[in-house]
Amino acid sequence: KAGVTQTPRYLIKTRGQQVTLSCSPISGHRSVSWYQQTPGQGLQFLFEYFSETQRNKGNFPGRFSGRQFSNSRSEMNVSTLELGDSALYLCASSYPGQGGLETQYFGPGTRLLVL
Amino acid sequence: AQSVTQLGSHVSVSEGALVLLRCNYSSSVPPYLFWYVQYPNQGLQLLLKYTSAATLVKGINGFEAEFKKSETSFHLTKPSAHMSDAAEYFCAVSPSGGYQKVTFGTGTKLQVIP
Repeated sequence: KAGVTQTPRYLIKTRGQQVTLSCSPISGHRSVSWYQQTPGQGLQFLFEYFSETQRNKGNFPGRFSGRQFSNSRSEMNVSTLELGDSALYLCASSYPGQGGLETQYFGPGTRLLVL
Repeated sequence: AQSVTQLGSHVSVSEGALVLLRCNYSSSVPPYLFWYVQYPNQGLQLLLKYTSAATLVKGINGFEAEFKKSETSFHLTKPSAHMSDAAEYFCAVSPSGGYQKVTFGTGTKLQVIP
């Protein structure tokens, strides 16, 4: 079974531009979560989608948005990029396991550099 | 509000020695706690998850963690360190039991000395 895939793996943008990152979950997984990792702020939860609906959102400005498609693939978009948006963006998918315990799997991440 | 504090940003152990990574939590509701590992230039991997079913949680790669409510702690241990355990470890807390609204600690880098 293929793991969580994220595209692109690396991206360079300039301030003011927008960017779209893609995440394909493991087949059958319906929940997709996004996280931002920076040296200064560490790991932070961005948002979580389940069956095309955003269920939870972290404390990020409205420039950060996302969506999930019917095949569970998810995209996140950052508009009007700022230097501080330079980060590793991680995507994870999960599926209920035995006893209701979910197992979560992460993709390798997309490293975004804003110049 | 919820938070976790990881004591020690860097921990060094000798190969074969006990690994102990410390995590204390603060939560206004019964917490759900997690440990993740991140190997260099890779994504995260879930090591284990506490959901109140049992206070001692066994994870992958020989790691385990014990939930101690009286100490508000969820320390990660492994009896014998292996070179391949060198990585960064993150403790995290969630109010909901799922992976939503997770708050991460600042991480502890584990160095294993041969």
